Amino acid sequence: NAGVTQTPKFQVLKTGQSMTLQCAQDMNHEYMSWYRQDPGMGLRLIHYSVGAGITDQGEVPNGYNVSRSTTEDFPLRLLSAAPSQTSVYFCASSRRGWDEGNSPLHFGNGTRLTVT
Amino acid sequence: GESVGLHLPTLSVQEGDNSIINCAYSNSASDYFIWYKQESGKGPQFIIDIRSNMDKRQGQRVTVLLNKTVKHLSLQIAATQPGDSAVYFCAEYEQGAQKLVFGQGTRLTINP
Repeated sequence: NAGVTQTPKFQVLKTGQSMTLQCAQDMNHEYMSWYRQDPGMGLRLIHYSVGAGITDQGEVPNGYNVSRSTTEDFPLRLLSAAPSQTSVYFCASSRRGWDEGNSPLHFGNGTRLTVT
Repeated sequence: GESVGLHLPTLSVQEGDNSIINCAYSNSASDYFIWYKQESGKGPQFIIDIRSNMDKRQGQRVTVLLNKTVKHLSLQIAATQPGDSAVYFCAEYEQGAQKLVFGQGTRLTINP
């Protein structure tokens, strides 16, 4: 049981490049989400999914796309990278969506992205 | 708007002493609160949670207190150890918004 696995751990992009941050969980969690963490700003929600085929926007979705074709995987796509997207990105999952009851999020170890 | 914040950005304590980390929230409709610990280079790790129908919950060496009257949450760590050095985040569940709102974090440093 690996929990939440994120790849890559580090990435450097040039402005305008695109890439996909991978996230996989092996806990059969229905709820998955992406956060970014910037100094002094805590964790901010980018996108989330309450189950396969369902995604929704968080508080900072611009410049990012997501899809949820399987329960296990929730990739985050940067369409055209900008320096403002330099951050640490965390994927998290939990047993069920918040409107069905509460359960604590399980986080991956993050992807450190630098956009030059 | 709703927000979760911390009273102190840094906290230094002597090894063996008790630590108290505070958090204020502004959304009176929030009904679920979580404390996370984040060590350098790692993702946040769940410590303890509490629902709004409780005012205290204890775990192993940790206690969370919730005061809904003043919208205040605290994390108490007993007999602080070097391994407790980390950044601690409180998080608040917003009813209907399907998201956790995180505070900015408090860095706990243990002095030998």
